Amino acid sequence: GAVVSQHPSWVICKSGTSVKIECRSLDFQATTMFWYRQFPKQSLMLMATSNEGSKATYEQGVEKDKFLINHASLTLSTLTVTSAHPEDSSFYICSARSGNTYQQYFGPGTRLTVT
Amino acid sequence: TQLLEQSPQFLSIQEGENLTVYCNSSSVFSSLQWYRQEPGEGPVLLVTVVTGGEVKKLKRLTFQFGDARKDSSLHITAAQPGDTGLYLCAGEATGTASKLTFGTGTRLQVTL
Repeated sequence: GAVVSQHPSWVICKSGTSVKIECRSLDFQATTMFWYRQFPKQSLMLMATSNEGSKATYEQGVEKDKFLINHASLTLSTLTVTSAHPEDSSFYICSARSGNTYQQYFGPGTRLTVT
Repeated sequence: TQLLEQSPQFLSIQEGENLTVYCNSSSVFSSLQWYRQEPGEGPVLLVTVVTGGEVKKLKRLTFQFGDARKDSSLHITAAQPGDTGLYLCAGEATGTASKLTFGTGTRLQVTL
């Protein structure tokens, strides 16, 4: 149990375009989802926390108008990178937490490359 | 800002050797987790420690949470090539609604 999926697993887009990444909890209801970014050879950095039905809370230094997060249901959160630039190229990982536990379950990640 | 410093950053050892990875902070955490991450994949939880001084064993892996809940260590006995990966500690501070602060990471390579 407690499986989190991400789609797509990798995506290449042109500079200036937008790309949407989905994060789904497959067998539990996720009241909270987290989005992380990981640059090569670095650790995970929390970008934002999203609670179902409410606006996401962004970490300091993360542009909320550039990284749009929607958590419309208890099993789906989306991250849209708007007007992507090459410096947005990174590995984006989501995690989900159910209301019954504080443990986070991580997705497999999405590799974004902006050309 | 809570920082978790891991040492060493990189470790290359031969199969059968023992190793210890350290995770240190000046902040107190209500719990601390250890993850292993393979290239191109999400992190996989190894263990969660919540009590100061707690020691947990998972086969050849031994995890310890410092008495003051500011630091932790991971000891691997008789390392195997399958242990190769990025090891990450992550702390959850009290009152942060399970937000995790990840450590700087330790990349382990175990060769035959």
